Amino acid sequence: DGGITQSPKYLFRKEGQNVTLSCEQNLNHDAMYWYRQDPGQGLRLIYYSQIVNDFQKGDIAEGYSVSREKKESFPLTVTSAQKNPTAFYLCASSPVGTSGSGADTQYFGPGTRLTVL
Amino acid sequence: AQSVAQPEDQVNVAEGNPLTVKCTYSVSGNPYLFWYVQYPNRGLQFLLKYITGDNLVKGSYGFEAEFNKSQTSFHLKKPSALVSDSALYFCAVGGRLAFGKGNQVVVIP
Repeated sequence: DGGITQSPKYLFRKEGQNVTLSCEQNLNHDAMYWYRQDPGQGLRLIYYSQIVNDFQKGDIAEGYSVSREKKESFPLTVTSAQKNPTAFYLCASSPVGTSGSGADTQYFGPGTRLTVL
Repeated sequence: AQSVAQPEDQVNVAEGNPLTVKCTYSVSGNPYLFWYVQYPNRGLQFLLKYITGDNLVKGSYGFEAEFNKSQTSFHLKKPSALVSDSALYFCAVGGRLAFGKGNQVVVIP
């Protein structure tokens, strides 16, 4: 997991509440990503960013928002519009963006487990 | 659209025996293929990747994978499995990384 930190490790959300998941990297990577993991479904891409102040929707962006104000930080907000947010959330980074070289290796943080009460 | 398939939900193998985890892919053009491993409640760890060149790719922890273009496969292998290899294994295909559902590997002592 080295170089990428996610906090908190566990997070509990009440109905109708927005929560923000933190992701920080010290690998000097340009690109950062957020994935959602559900049992038996693999990883699904929520948002990704190739450069500061720019980001793109992934496959399941509805109910989520992101910002990229600094190269090393890519926080994810799970809004009340996300109807089924209980999942394991993984942040990753890579040297260049996915629309650049598809050969770039993504490195993952330890994850945040979000549970809706 | 690019995708990968991991046909087996779980792979059981005795310790010391060879381990194989299967993956097939579907892409247009040249594939960039990856294997990751995940231990419980942890992030994914990179094992190896195929970009071009030699069809046999060697990676971390004694793992290797064989790229087979005619069969569109990228199976992960380890000659002698350890109990500590018990984990969830994901195959993925880049550029915009698409993951398979994952294979649970159980190594039996």
